[in-house]
Amino acid sequence: AQTVTQSQPEMSVQEAETVTLSCTYDTSESDYYLFWYKQPPSRQMILVIRQEAYKQQNATENRFSVNFQKAAKSFSLKISDSQLGDAAMYFCAYRSGGGGADGLTFGKGTHLIIQP
Amino acid sequence: SAVISQKPSRDICQRGTSLTIQCQVDSQVTMMFWYRQQPGQSLTLIATANQGSEATYESGFVIDKFPISRPNLTFSTLTVSNMSPEDSSIYLCSVTSGSTSTDTQYFGPGTRLTVL
Repeated sequence: AQTVTQSQPEMSVQEAETVTLSCTYDTSESDYYLFWYKQPPSRQMILVIRQEAYKQQNATENRFSVNFQKAAKSFSLKISDSQLGDAAMYFCAYRSGGGGADGLTFGKGTHLIIQP
Repeated sequence: SAVISQKPSRDICQRGTSLTIQCQVDSQVTMMFWYRQQPGQSLTLIATANQGSEATYESGFVIDKFPISRPNLTFSTLTVSNMSPEDSSIYLCSVTSGSTSTDTQYFGPGTRLTVL
């Protein structure tokens, strides 16, 4: 079974600064997908970014980028120019590459606080 | 991405009763998933619902407790049966819109259930 570990229960960053959230995972599969979801107090789960394991290039979405280290099974999220609206719980998630029928395995989450 | 709605958005129930949660999608989707998020915790997959077949339950979840229906490609229900305070959680519906391994899961707004 796959596991996802987020070792930072809470992180704090000044507005406009950069913060990195850590995620490691354990799997014996070679084909899989990794995701970062954001959950603000409204509890809506919002996809932030995704990474296909077969791609060596790190995914980027505007201010959000990942550092995907497949050999180390590490998948960190970097948020640049942090904004107040970035404050939320951030969950790292894993999905097997066997097809769209597989559910997600989530980490425990990191609570991100943005200091004005 | 698909637009997903859930009803009710929240409810307070008495122990021993049952609640049915509805998930409606604005487009036809292949797979629907139900997750539970206990207070202060991460998301855990309950079951996967494919139209026209029995739902597939994850370890620790059983059909008698969480019966699921998937009558068509845009709708699913999850029933929480014989509730106890331990069932107090947010229940989230999620969908993928295709059968390829690149599909991303998108989430509904969740149903916050409190059992007294």
